[in-house]
Formats: sequence, C-alpha cells, structure tokens
Amino acid sequence: EVQLVESGGGLVQPGGSLRLSCAASGFTLEINGMTWVRQAPGKGLEWVSSISGSGARTFYADSVEGRFTISRDNSKNTLYLQMNNLRAEDTATFYCVKDLWFGDLSSVAWGQGTLVTVSS
Amino acid sequence: FMLTQPHSVSESSGKTVTISCAGTGGSIASNYVQWYQQRPGSAPTIVIYEDKQRPSGVPDRFSGSVARSSNSASLTISGLKTEDEADYYCQSYDGTSVVFGGGTKLTVL
Repeated sequence: EVQLVESGGGLVQPGGSLRLSCAASGFTLEINGMTWVRQAPGKGLEWVSSISGSGARTFYADSVEGRFTISRDNSKNTLYLQMNNLRAEDTATFYCVKDLWFGDLSSVAWGQGTLVTVSS
Repeated sequence: FMLTQPHSVSESSGKTVTISCAGTGGSIASNYVQWYQQRPGSAPTIVIYEDKQRPSGVPDRFSGSVARSSNSASLTISGLKTEDEADYYCQSYDGTSVVFGGGTKLTVL
C-alpha cells in the first residue's frame, strides 16, 4: 500500500527556515515524480514544486522560486522541501503528492499534509 | 495559462451536476486534465485523470470530459449522494508548471 507521511511543519517566525520531509512507503521514490502542493487556511490548492523521478529536473512556482528547494534522498525513500526566508503568506498545509507530474497519473496519491505557520 | 471554476454549485440528491473548468491563456486540450475531490478536513483524492479516466475505486457516477470548442473541461457526477458534498479542483499543466483551478464547493441538497 502506498503511503506518504509528511512531517516538519510547525510555527516559525518570518524570515525563518523549515525543512519538510515526506516519508514514502509502498513504492520506490526514485522512479516516481514527486510534487509539493500547499493550501492556505480556507483557500484552494496551490502548486509549489515538482521533481522528476531521476531528480534531474526541478520546477518551482514563481512565489517560492529562490526561497524553496525540493530534493530527495532515495536511500531513505524520502522527499524534502527546504523552505528559507519564510513569509506570512507561506502559512499553509503542505502536501506531498506522488505522480501528479512526471509520473503515472493513474497512481496519484496524496499525503495527509503538514501545517506550516509563519507568524511572529 | 489559468483554470477557472465556479465558486460553488448545488444540486439535489439523486440528480446530476456538472462542474466546469475553463482554460484561459492556452489550449486546455494541450495537456491532460485531472479532477480532485477534497472533503472537509481531509487531503484531496483524485477522481478523474487524463481527462476522462477513473482510478480504481472511484464509482462510475463520476465522469470527465474536455471540449476543445469551449476550451473547457467538465466533471459530471450523476446520482448525487450526500457523500459527494466536497470541494472539487481541476488541474492541468503549463509547460513548466502545474496549474490548479480555484475549486468548486459542491453542496448536495
């Protein structure tokens, strides 16, 4: 069974940093494209970043380009999102998603999300 | 490229409802469209992929289509049930990005 478990969220001050993790099980991370999607409280879904199965290609939303970095550790079957220079508008639940891009769309799966709150 | 959805729709139990997803700034037919259902307090789940395909476990009451003439995609749910009450999002791609519609809140009366 495919499982995605996000962690690393929490309360951080503006300008601070956080690293989110997404532990994958039930499949091999390195052969699947992975994506981070966020959802601000009471708002819609917003794409954040994607990484190809090989890790050779990464893409970012304009709103996070230069501040966020997506990466993966295939030995740990874990996806990461390093978030720097956080802003109040980054407050959201962050979901990791399998196969939404660079993958088999019939196998799309979402984690349960981790909440990031940026506030002083 | 943007995807625009109605903010909300409502229909009675047992009836059929269609949620639209209009593409602007490009052709919606250029890339696959997916649809996600999100119930309150839960993560989204996919209900339609590649314009019209249903993942295993999704009932055939859910169907998807894309119309080149109107540059739009649609999600149709027939035989509405109270459990279908949720937010629905369309999603596609724009070259180097993933694009989501703003979401539609479906109320089952």
